[in-house]
Amino acid sequence: GAVVSQHPSRVICKSGTSVKIECRSLDFQATTMFWYRQFPKQSLMLMATSNEGSKATYEQGVEKDKFLINHASLTLSTLTVTSAHPEDSSFYICSATKGTPGTGYGYTFGSGTRLTVV
Amino acid sequence: KQEVTQIPAALSVPEGENLVLNCSFTDSAIYNLQWFRQDPGKGLTSLLLIQSSQREQTSGRLNASLDKSSGRSTLYIAASQPGDSATYLCAVDGSRNYQLIWGAGTKLIIKP
Repeated sequence: GAVVSQHPSRVICKSGTSVKIECRSLDFQATTMFWYRQFPKQSLMLMATSNEGSKATYEQGVEKDKFLINHASLTLSTLTVTSAHPEDSSFYICSATKGTPGTGYGYTFGSGTRLTVV
Repeated sequence: KQEVTQIPAALSVPEGENLVLNCSFTDSAIYNLQWFRQDPGKGLTSLLLIQSSQREQTSGRLNASLDKSSGRSTLYIAASQPGDSATYLCAVDGSRNYQLIWGAGTKLIIKP
């Protein structure tokens, strides 16, 4: 159990266009979903935390108008990179949890999306 | 502020050896600790989750221990195989709004 599906796995887009990445929890309802960015050979950087039906909480330094997050249901969150530029090229990973802190459910991660902006 | 450190940063061993990866954290007030593996260009796969009240968890050839008082966790891999080659990450759930605090990872290479 606890499977998170992320699509697409790879996307190439032209500079100035927008790209949407989907993250779905397949077999559980995710109380909270997370979006991370990972640069080559570096650890994960949390971008934002989202709860179903409410606005996402962005980490310091992350532009909320560039990285739009929508958490429309307990099983789906989307990240839209708006007006993408080459510097937005990166590996984006989502994760989800069905628990509250201390309940032991842990976090399940998607397979990631490689975004290349040309 | 919670800080997580993983040692070694990289490890290369021959196939068949038993090995230990280390993870230390500075604040013992944690909910749980989770070990993940990441293959190049891929997402993260959860290996083991240890709740704060537990001392160890086992899955197949993997065994993870947790000593909250000393701020340490170890991941033991028995009879290593080339397919175990990956980056292993430990993450602590403290939890500030569910944010995981990550170690920098140990890149493991198992030589055939």
